[in-house]
Parts: sequence; structure tokens; C-alpha cells
Amino acid sequence: SAVISQKPSRDICQRGTSLTIQCQVDSQVTMMFWYRQQPGQSLTLIATANQGSEATYESGFVIDKFPISRPNLTFSTLTVSNMSPEDSSIYLCSGATGYEPYEQYFGPGTRLTVT
Amino acid sequence: GQNIDQPTEMTATEGAIVQINCTYQTSGFNGLFWYQQHAGEAPTFLSYNVLDGLEEKGRFSSFLSRSKGYSYLLLKELQMKDSASYLCAVMDSNYQLIWGAGTKLIIKP
Repeated sequence: SAVISQKPSRDICQRGTSLTIQCQVDSQVTMMFWYRQQPGQSLTLIATANQGSEATYESGFVIDKFPISRPNLTFSTLTVSNMSPEDSSIYLCSGATGYEPYEQYFGPGTRLTVT
Repeated sequence: GQNIDQPTEMTATEGAIVQINCTYQTSGFNGLFWYQQHAGEAPTFLSYNVLDGLEEKGRFSSFLSRSKGYSYLLLKELQMKDSASYLCAVMDSNYQLIWGAGTKLIIKP
């Protein structure tokens, strides 16, 4: 199994600013994902982070608002740009080997509050 | 559209058995997952079913019927630490996970 770390674990930011979240995995995974989770709700996929190329975004999420980098197999960043209070959420990264049973391993999450 | 349904909340007694159901309608199927998520923590993988039938792993078992678009997670000998949310997720034809809203399980002594 993969161990995934994220930082920061939490932050309080002012509206209009940007925050970059880092995700590091301890082994080579072929796939990395970024999710958002509102309190008490399920996970919403923001994008799939692709190594060395542009991320694949889900409906409702755009690169200008959530730029993602993945310079190598084990590291990715998600930036939440021009933040508003509606961006307050938990942001989770996950990794998967791409082989059966295809389970995703999650980082501990970043709790973001925008004031 | 793609849809995963599971109960919002369930309550059970310590030492008892509880079954959490999940029904799904997705574009393609490459397996069904159950994850456990304690409050304030990340989801952790519990089980994976890709073929019909029951998979048992200690106190937890997961069942799948692909023809019915149905799965359940069975938890036996419930312990207080089992209080958590249980998320059902289906991998669609693009190998993307479609997540249910989760079932909050409350264990009472």
C-alpha cells in the first residue's frame, strides 16, 4: 500500500488569495487524484493529475481556478486560486497503482477555511 | 446519469451486526469499493468486489450482485470504534470512481 502525505494539514486564508497544497506519495503510483469534501458529504473529484502534462478536470472545475502540477510520479500540487468562502472545504489527494484491485490511498487532507 | 444510493445514517448496538446497502447505476462497471472514514480523517480502503458473491475479511464482509446493481457491507461484532462513515464507490468504464454520499454509522453501547 502507499503512504500519502499532504501539507499543509489546515490553513485559514483571506478571500482573494491563493493556497498551494502539496501531496507526496512514498511509492510510485500511476494515478493521482484531487478531491474536495464538504463537511458531512461525500467526495467530489476535482481532477486527475497527469505526470508531465495538463491535469484532466471534472465538470465544474477549471484549470484557472485549480491549477495542478505533477512533475514526477510521486509528487503533485493543487492550487486554489482567488479564494472565496465557498472554497472552504477539505481537499484530499489520492494515489492508485492502476492495477487490480485499483484501490485509492488517501492523504490525510487539507482543511481550508476562507474568511 | 450515474448514481450511487446508500442510507444517510444508521444506528446499531455494540456487539450486534449491521448491513449497509448500496445500489448503483453507472456507465460501465470495473468494481465496487467500500471505504471507512472516521470524522476528520481520510477514507481508508475496506473492500473491493468485482465478481458476484461475498468477500469476507475478518469482521467485515462485502457482497456484490452486478445484475441487480447492488452491494452491501456487513459488519459483525460491532465495536465502538466502528462508528464512522462508510462510503460506497463504483469504478466506471473509464476507471473513474463514482462515490456515494456515505452512510454515517452510529454505534451505541
